[in-house]
Amino acid sequence: GQSLEQPSEVTAVEGAIVQINCTYQTSGFYGLSWYQQHDGGAPTFLSYNALDGLEETGRFSSFLSRSDSYGYLLLQELQMKDSASYFCAVRGSARQLTFGSGTQLTVLP
Amino acid sequence: DSGVTQTPKHLITATGQRVTLRCSPRSGDLSVYWYQQSLDQGLQFLIQYYNGEERAKGNILERFSAQQFPDLHSELNLSSLELGDSALYFCASSSHGEDTEAFFGQGTRLTVV
Repeated sequence: GQSLEQPSEVTAVEGAIVQINCTYQTSGFYGLSWYQQHDGGAPTFLSYNALDGLEETGRFSSFLSRSDSYGYLLLQELQMKDSASYFCAVRGSARQLTFGSGTQLTVLP
Repeated sequence: DSGVTQTPKHLITATGQRVTLRCSPRSGDLSVYWYQQSLDQGLQFLIQYYNGEERAKGNILERFSAQQFPDLHSELNLSSLELGDSALYFCASSSHGEDTEAFFGQGTRLTVV
């Protein structure tokens, strides 16, 4: 099967940098994705890593280490609107897109 | 707007009843996924369809079933409803079955009383 672990909560102040970690176990691996979900809203795609290394998209970056089955999402210059839940997701040989339990990020003024 | 449409947005029903949730994927997307999200929980994968055929199955209860029609819209049927089935049900779509970027609808909030 597939399983992912990420911290349940992270708190940071406006303007700071925060890192949300994700470790995964999967049979086969097609990539690690990150999604953002504001309270009760639809999850939205943020980034995707299929190969080792860092992918940067504006204030957000995502990192993957396949040998360590580990990735992280880095959010820079935090803004109040970044307060949301962040999910990592992996697709393995079972083909289903499996999500972690989510990290609730709270940005304080 | 992701382009994925789910109806209805809200549904309140009694225990023991049956409901049908509907999803229209983005234009051109062949793959549809259904997820259940209970209060403060993660997204639990239920089932995936690709071009009308079941592609992958998660921890979907036997009381639940789904299908994808020739026009690619999908329906999730929930029967013999229990209080614990109250949750947000999301549909997502992607262009094919192997991509990792999925586009989510706004969800259907089901409340079982």
